[in-house]
Amino acid sequence: AQSVTQPDIHITVSEGASLELRCNYSYGATPYLFWYVQSPGQGLQLLLKYFSGDTLVQGIKGFEAEFKRSQSSFNLRKPSVHWSDAAEYFCAVGGNSGYSTLTFGKGTMLLVSP
Amino acid sequence: ETGVTQTPRHLVMGMTNKKSLKCEQHLGHNAMYWYKQSAKKPLELMFVYSLEERVENNSVPSRFSPECPNSSHLFLHLHTLQPEDSALYLCASSRDVGAAGANVLTFGAGSRLTVL
Repeated sequence: AQSVTQPDIHITVSEGASLELRCNYSYGATPYLFWYVQSPGQGLQLLLKYFSGDTLVQGIKGFEAEFKRSQSSFNLRKPSVHWSDAAEYFCAVGGNSGYSTLTFGKGTMLLVSP
Repeated sequence: ETGVTQTPRHLVMGMTNKKSLKCEQHLGHNAMYWYKQSAKKPLELMFVYSLEERVENNSVPSRFSPECPNSSHLFLHLHTLQPEDSALYLCASSRDVGAAGANVLTFGAGSRLTVL
């Protein structure tokens, strides 16, 4: 069965500082990997996805993530955080063939301090 | 109007009430989903519909009853709920339920349900 672990429940970053949110997954083959973001009172929005090819993927709002097969990780990064990035971030894994549904992690709440 | 729209945004109901949540998507997608989001838990997939046919029902109690009259509309009928059912209910859609399509979900803003 597929699973996702986001080890950090909360992270606080100063505005302008760099950010890395951790995600580890469990899946029997090469997975499809995703990061979604949820702002307060909103649904989830797709930030970026990895299907195949280049292991460093670029997303919206200046985010990027790197797929590391050897570490079963897909960490999300941003070089300089803005106050508007404060939100909850969800990593998700999906199957790469046939019928598939996403499995989400519990999320990491990002707080941005001035 | 574009995207995925959910109504109502907030709902308070007693345990003996019957209510419904509505979801509408304007993306031309063929698959629709209900998720439950509770504090400190991962999103729980409840139901999946593909072309109005239910393809997944994840051991959800019968007090939750989904309905998909067409590929653009999805309902969640609620009956004799329990306080632990209080949560944010998210609707989502995707192009289809195949691997590449199913995994890219577009979510609505959710319906916040409180059961007294």
